[in-house]
Amino acid sequence: EAEVAQSPRYKITEKSQAVAFWCDPISGHATLYWYRQILGQGPELLVQFQDESVVDDSQLPKDRFSAERLKGVDSTLKIQPAELGDSAMYLCASSLAPGTWNEQFFGPGTRLTVL
Amino acid sequence: SQQGEEDPQALSIQEGENATMNCSYKTSINNLQWYRQNSGRGLVHLILIRSNEREKHSGRLRVTLDTSKKSSSLLITASRAADTASYFCATGPPINAGGTSYGKLTFGQGTILTVHP
Repeated sequence: EAEVAQSPRYKITEKSQAVAFWCDPISGHATLYWYRQILGQGPELLVQFQDESVVDDSQLPKDRFSAERLKGVDSTLKIQPAELGDSAMYLCASSLAPGTWNEQFFGPGTRLTVL
Repeated sequence: SQQGEEDPQALSIQEGENATMNCSYKTSINNLQWYRQNSGRGLVHLILIRSNEREKHSGRLRVTLDTSKKSSSLLITASRAADTASYFCATGPPINAGGTSYGKLTFGQGTILTVHP
């Protein structure tokens, strides 16, 4: 069964350092999402791609976060510099097409701890 | 920002009992979905109900939607220890008049369900 892959699964870093997360969506899925989930809360969308284009990054802290999906397949989310408040689970999801009625498939997530 | 509010925040039951979780939301929706998340893992889609539907079933899951009250409930019948997880509702906004904005899912804060063997 096809799955969304994410790496690393866990990342511990010190504040002011740079971190990067990688996501490989299900093959053929045009839409890719990055979510942040703070402990005890539901996921919040950071950025949504349609193929290689960003269609929603309204909640992405653009002074320190960046995301790219250069060939419209896998994607990288970067934080530079990391802050203590960035500690969270970062989830990647993909769907065949945009539109919230299309099922989103989630990866296992990357748990980030900033010390 | 989180649109959904889930109730209760935590629920503890015995295996074989039914579990009911509720979700309330604030604005108009196109659909409402329920997801399960096992501890420290990614989310798994359970069921989607559209705004013009009132009830939907999938196996041991039953979802109801009352758009007049802006609320939904998820019922898990004959619960099993393996159902232990966090459950989230998520709402999808209406498609805009131009049909060009598909919106995004907005998740609630979740209900932690513990099923004791």
